[in-house]
Order: sequence, then C-alpha cells, then structure tokens
Amino acid sequence: DTAVSQTPKYLVTQMGNDKSIKCEQNLGHDTMYWYKQDSKKFLKIMFSYNNKELIINETVPNRFSPKSPDKAHLNLHINSLELGDSAVYFCASSQEHAESHYEQYFGPGTRLTVT
Amino acid sequence: RKEVEQDPGPFNVPEGATVAFNCTYSNSASQSFFWYRQDCRKEPKLLMSVYSSGNEDGRFTAQLNRASQYISLLIRDSKLSDSATYLCVVNLYTGGFKTIFGAGTRLFVKA
Repeated sequence: DTAVSQTPKYLVTQMGNDKSIKCEQNLGHDTMYWYKQDSKKFLKIMFSYNNKELIINETVPNRFSPKSPDKAHLNLHINSLELGDSAVYFCASSQEHAESHYEQYFGPGTRLTVT
Repeated sequence: RKEVEQDPGPFNVPEGATVAFNCTYSNSASQSFFWYRQDCRKEPKLLMSVYSSGNEDGRFTAQLNRASQYISLLIRDSKLSDSATYLCVVNLYTGGFKTIFGAGTRLFVKA
C-alpha cells in the first residue's frame, strides 16, 4: 500500500490556468507538507499543516493555497499559473511528537509544466 | 548564510571507496537531524536519523556535533547503488515547527 500518494503524477497546463494537486496519506500522521523542487533540485518547504495550525513559508505567493478536507488529505490549489511555477511538487507527512517531528514520508511527486 | 549548508559535490568515487559528506546548520535551536537520499526523478527517502552519540546502519555512519553545529555521513565500501543525492535535514522548533533541507550532495559511484 502506498503510504503517501499524489495525483496527478504529471500535469501540463497553460499560463493563467488554475489547477489542483491532491495528496493523501494512510499513515495516520497528524502533519502534512507541500514542497517545491525546482530545476536546480533545491527542495523548499511551502506549507506545513496539522489540525492546529497552518505554517506558510513567507516566500510562497498567495496564488498557492493548501486545502485540508480531513486529516489524511492536503491538496494544493494554484491559481493563475506562471511559467516559474514549473517544478516537481512533493507532498509529505510526519507525526508530531512533543516539540519535534519524526521523519517525513514523501509522495512520489507531481511534475508540473506550465507552458 | 544558508540555514543548512552541504558540501557542493558532486563526488565521483570508485566502488569500494569510503566517502564522507558534511553539513552545517546555523540555528542552535535545531532539535532533530536526518540524512535523506533522493534518487533521480524520485522522492526523498529517509536514510537515517542522526543522534548526538553517533549511529551506524550497516555501511553508513552518521555523526552529530552540536557544539560545532555540523552533521556528517560516512559511507564505507561504496556500491554502485549508492549513487544518489544525499540531503541533510534539520528540524527546529522556534515557536513554530520548521523543517529545512540542505541543497543536497550528489554522489556518483563508478565501477
């Protein structure tokens, strides 16, 4: 069974469109994340979210918004897509423990190409 | 200064070699530390956690030096399958939880 799954795996779309990427985890974790990995392979956190709070990386444009219908899902909505949004987006989850977190489990990634 | 910095790489080593990666972090509030491995066009996967006392998992040894704020990963008897990017990861809690990935070090192991 896949622990963290994402759909779609590939997404090709035009500038200006609005798109969503879905993420689901079946690990029972209480925290989920979205990361962006650009062409230089640098992995940057965009959001972390649990049932208590949403932490947003201040560098993320407000065109990006996470939506969590329940504890096992964290979807990423992107409005008015731009060429610079082309990247691989990874969803991840972990379990919070005291003031630390155990390791994160990543989904397989969604390769977004904006034309 | 970047919050987490790693050796730039790439490292090109022959099979059987021993290779070491270093990573430094800038925030002394950092609480937990990990090494992840990422294969080409794949997701990052946990390789090992890093503890103050040092820990070993087969051919892999991780060390943490809190005083100097650096983490290391040693790979002995390198295999072709060790070729990947190795990511240093730091978790810190400063009123809010934060995870920071290093830029990664690319390793090529050649026959």
